[in-house]
Amino acid sequence: DIQLTQSPSFLSASVGDRVTITCRATQGISSYLAWYQQKPGKAPKLLIYAASTLQSGVPSRFSGSKSGTDFTLTVSSLQPEDFATYFCQQFNSYPLTFGGGTKVEIK
Amino acid sequence: QVQLVQSGAEVKKPGASVKVSCKASGYTFTKYSITWVRQAPGQGLEWMGWISAENGNTNYAQKLQGRVTMTTDTSTRTAYMELRSLRSDDTAVYYCARWEAFWSGYYAFDYWGQGTLVTVSS
Repeated sequence: DIQLTQSPSFLSASVGDRVTITCRATQGISSYLAWYQQKPGKAPKLLIYAASTLQSGVPSRFSGSKSGTDFTLTVSSLQPEDFATYFCQQFNSYPLTFGGGTKVEIK
Repeated sequence: QVQLVQSGAEVKKPGASVKVSCKASGYTFTKYSITWVRQAPGQGLEWMGWISAENGNTNYAQKLQGRVTMTTDTSTRTAYMELRSLRSDDTAVYYCARWEAFWSGYYAFDYWGQGTLVTVSS
């Protein structure tokens, strides 16, 4: 199974900060990676697919990139509504797997 | 607008079965697969499997093989997930989601149901 390791698992930041979350895969997954945002008590929401393609309706302050087996989600200027948990997910092979999550909290 | 509406919370005893429904609207049901993901309390996301709404083909996570069955009813645009021989570690919120296959050849779960809490307790 492909493991996805997210770092950090917890992040404290202020409004306006630039925030970067990393997701590392245990083997090559091409660009078959998606990022989701989840708020407490709510379902995940798709932010990015194909490693770097912004889902329709998602603010442009969110971006994704890939370097080898390392994937990055960046929020260029954190807004109050961005405080949430973020998950990566791979679609390269079964079983589909998720990263452990990164919780972004207000400093 | 695309919506997936799931059935309500369930409380089951160990060894019992549960069947969760997911009613779709706002898109052509048979053009997409439905996938199921669960989340234990305070934990991460676990993919359970998918079902094609077009032909009923399925693919289940190996750890759930033999205990899970996913079905669809195209007449009511509803997907179902049944989990049998429930254990305490099956306690989780169960989500259905639409599996989007983008023109570029990539995939994502683009719309999600609101989640169904299944509690397994004696």
